Amino acid sequence: GQQLNQSPQSMFIQEGEDVSMNCTSSSIFNTWLWYKQDPGEGPVLLIALYKAGELTSNGRLTAQFGITRKDSFLNISASIPSDVGIYFCAGQIKGTNFGNEKLTFGTGTRLTIIP
Amino acid sequence: DTEVTQTPKHLVMGMTNKKSLKCEQHMGHRAMYWYKQKAKKPPELMFVYSYEKLSINESVPSRFSPECPNSSLLNLHLHALQPEDSALYLCASSQPGLYTGELFFGEGSRLTVL
Repeated sequence: GQQLNQSPQSMFIQEGEDVSMNCTSSSIFNTWLWYKQDPGEGPVLLIALYKAGELTSNGRLTAQFGITRKDSFLNISASIPSDVGIYFCAGQIKGTNFGNEKLTFGTGTRLTIIP
Repeated sequence: DTEVTQTPKHLVMGMTNKKSLKCEQHMGHRAMYWYKQKAKKPPELMFVYSYEKLSINESVPSRFSPECPNSSLLNLHLHALQPEDSALYLCASSQPGLYTGELFFGEGSRLTVL
């Protein structure tokens, strides 16, 4: 099956630093999404990307859908303590029937802010 | 506050018990999902219901039995589970059409099987 390789696995940064993480696949996806999961919570959608080359921002977050449709990156500018958590990329291939379109999640990037 | 509500938050059960996890959403979404998540791993898809019909079963063992009584509710019935089934079980929902990847997750039910 498809695999999404996410890097880095973990990041230790200081507050105020910028963060960059990416996701690569051997398969093409029609949609790329980025989710964040806090401890003891379910994932929350941050950004959704629907077109190759698309660059989308959500506050301090910026994500891009790679031209080849096999990769995506997420940048976080000026990190703050509440950015701590696990970030998952996810890819989806559009099918012909709603309900048969699975999301494939990446392996996750754990972000820690050092005091 | 999440708009997908899961109960219970925590469940401890023995291998011979029968229990159920429940999920409710009131966003009018017509797809609902069960995911299983082990510690430090991404969520793994178990089941998808589309318009209240089971559309995807990811070869999940029969000791897990999903049910979708109506468009707002999703249950996961558990019977004769194994200790390795201990995990966080996440329910999610999404809209039909273009945005099916935009999942709204509940907070999860943390299951421990003794």
